[in-house]
Amino acid sequence: GNSVTQMEGPVTLSEEAFLTINCTYTATGYPSLFWYVQYPGEGLQLLLKATKADDKGSNKGFEATYRKETTSFHLEKGSVQVSDSAVYFCALSSNNNDMRFGAGTRLTVKP
Amino acid sequence: GAVVSQHPSWVICKSGTSVKIECRSLDFQATTMFWYRQFPKQSLMLMATSNEGSKATYEQGVEKDKFLINHASLTLSTLTVTSAHPEDSSFYICSARDRPPEQFFGPGTRLTVL
Repeated sequence: GNSVTQMEGPVTLSEEAFLTINCTYTATGYPSLFWYVQYPGEGLQLLLKATKADDKGSNKGFEATYRKETTSFHLEKGSVQVSDSAVYFCALSSNNNDMRFGAGTRLTVKP
Repeated sequence: GAVVSQHPSWVICKSGTSVKIECRSLDFQATTMFWYRQFPKQSLMLMATSNEGSKATYEQGVEKDKFLINHASLTLSTLTVTSAHPEDSSFYICSARDRPPEQFFGPGTRLTVL
């Protein structure tokens, strides 16, 4: 079945540091890939997505590229801010199937 | 963008009572809605999938008689936790979808059972 493996946290960075959160997936067919962000006490917000191989999703300085050859969708940001502190979830969805989430990575950015 | 609301955002109830949580898609018609449960510092666990006008499909290990799901219209799904107990305390999140693959998530409902 479909599954997502996500880099375990927590991750603590200083402001303006470079961020990478690794995500790999196992899926049949051609899934769509997502990164969601969850701030404390809130639901999930879509951060970015990619629907086919080699697509790059980007939003708010975050980027992730759909790599079919390595089955990966790593999240990156060149310079994190304190306001980026949150939990990040990698997820995949195949056509009519439900969405599968990674375990989540808690990011803390210190000033 | 698509907006999904949940009501209430938090609820405290006594053990043995029932609690209803509403999930609404505000600006689109959701043919499918999903209910998730999230324990502290953990990922989302899919509880059930509901399609408008039909019975919900529950994930393995989720008691259908305890977590009643109704999806009576294209914009509203409800989750009723019946005879709630402290172990049912959790963060419940719904999502809605008009067409695959993207889902739009509600802000979540925090349930505390005393």
